[in-house]
Amino acid sequence: DAGVIQSPRHEVTEMGQEVTLRCKPISGHNSLFWYRQTMMRGLELLIYFNNNVPIDDSGMPEDRFSAKMPNASFSTLKIQPSEPRDSAVYFCASSSPPGRGNEQFFGPGTRLTVL
Amino acid sequence: DAKTTQPNSMESNEEEPVHLPCNHSTISGTDYIHWYRQLPSQGPEYVIHGLTSNVNNRMASLAIAEDRKSSTLILHRATLRDAAVYYCILRDWAMDSSYKLIFGSGTRLLVRP
Repeated sequence: DAGVIQSPRHEVTEMGQEVTLRCKPISGHNSLFWYRQTMMRGLELLIYFNNNVPIDDSGMPEDRFSAKMPNASFSTLKIQPSEPRDSAVYFCASSSPPGRGNEQFFGPGTRLTVL
Repeated sequence: DAKTTQPNSMESNEEEPVHLPCNHSTISGTDYIHWYRQLPSQGPEYVIHGLTSNVNNRMASLAIAEDRKSSTLILHRATLRDAAVYYCILRDWAMDSSYKLIFGSGTRLLVRP
């Protein structure tokens, strides 16, 4: 398996633009997680899905952020409009159903820079 | 969310054992203890987890105190590749049996050649 796939790996955009980050979880995994990492705030959980359903979005900073999981093999995290303070590395992770594994597998991350 | 406390940083010499401590005094009976590490410029990776008993795998050992209020991750022979930030996390279950991990600030391990 190729692992969790994220695209793009790097994104540079200007303030006010829409940004869409993409994630393909590992096949067979039923939970998907979006994290954000900055020097100031560390690694924060933004939202997670179980069986394509959002379970906990309490970490989503504000209405400018939205996430979708239209099917078991794809998820997006959208920021509209983007702001310089959104600059961070965004990680996607996936995991198996309970009883079939206990690990979250992380993707390589998307480094977002908002100018 | 249950919280963990770890030292900000630790140092070790290459090929010596390393003991990374973690306090979790508010742990509940169903909380699993997870350890992840993050190498430079990479996403976190799973290291080990446990509930009550000590655990061993190819990467490390996990020693859990009898009252479960603390645990120690043991790297038996540190290598330069083990230099990373190590996170001790309590698994937080949801009603549908899914779970989330809340990462703290972790311990930055420096390994001296």
